[in-house]
Amino acid sequence: AQKITQTQPGMFVQEKEAVTLDCTYDTSDQSYGLFWYKQPSSGEMIFLIYQGSYDEQNATEGRYSLNFQKARKSANLVISASQLGDSAMYFCAMSGLGSSNTGKLIFGQGTTLQVKP
Amino acid sequence: DTAVSQTPKYLVTQMGNDKSIKCEQNLGHDTMYWYKQDSKKFLKIMFSYNNKELIINETVPNRFSPKSPDKAHLNLHINSLELGDSAVYFCASSFDYSSYNEQFFGPGTRLTVL
Repeated sequence: AQKITQTQPGMFVQEKEAVTLDCTYDTSDQSYGLFWYKQPSSGEMIFLIYQGSYDEQNATEGRYSLNFQKARKSANLVISASQLGDSAMYFCAMSGLGSSNTGKLIFGQGTTLQVKP
Repeated sequence: DTAVSQTPKYLVTQMGNDKSIKCEQNLGHDTMYWYKQDSKKFLKIMFSYNNKELIINETVPNRFSPKSPDKAHLNLHINSLELGDSAVYFCASSFDYSSYNEQFFGPGTRLTVL
């Protein structure tokens, strides 16, 4: 069974500083995808970044980067130069490509990030 | 243009009623999903359809019935609503159900059962 764990219920960061949100996963699939989504207080789910299990380089999208450590089964999100608008809940998720793949996303519990001015 | 839209955005109803939530995507995607986000913000898959065919039914009570009239639409009908059905329901879509495709989410429907 697949599982995603986010151990930080809440985080604070000073504006303009970098912050790392932790995510560890468990799967028996050889091929899988890891995703991060942002959910601001308005409620919508915004896709941020994707990392494939066979990608050798860490994914980056603007101020977001994914620190992928396959042997440790971790996929931490790094946000550089935090902005007030980054205050939101962040979800790590996984989709497998095993024999029973159905495309479903398994989500972690989420981490609430607050950016201080 | 809204990529994934849901109606209504808010739904308040009495226990025992039947209600529907509609979802449409204009991305040309083959796969659509319904997720439920509970009061603790935990997100869980309910259903997914690929090109109008059901591919996931994640042990959801049979009071919930998805319907996909075409691959751009996936509606959710709920019979005999219960207090525990109160949640935010998200529709999502992806190019297909490979693990390599991000899912695009609708704005969510907040269902409150009184």
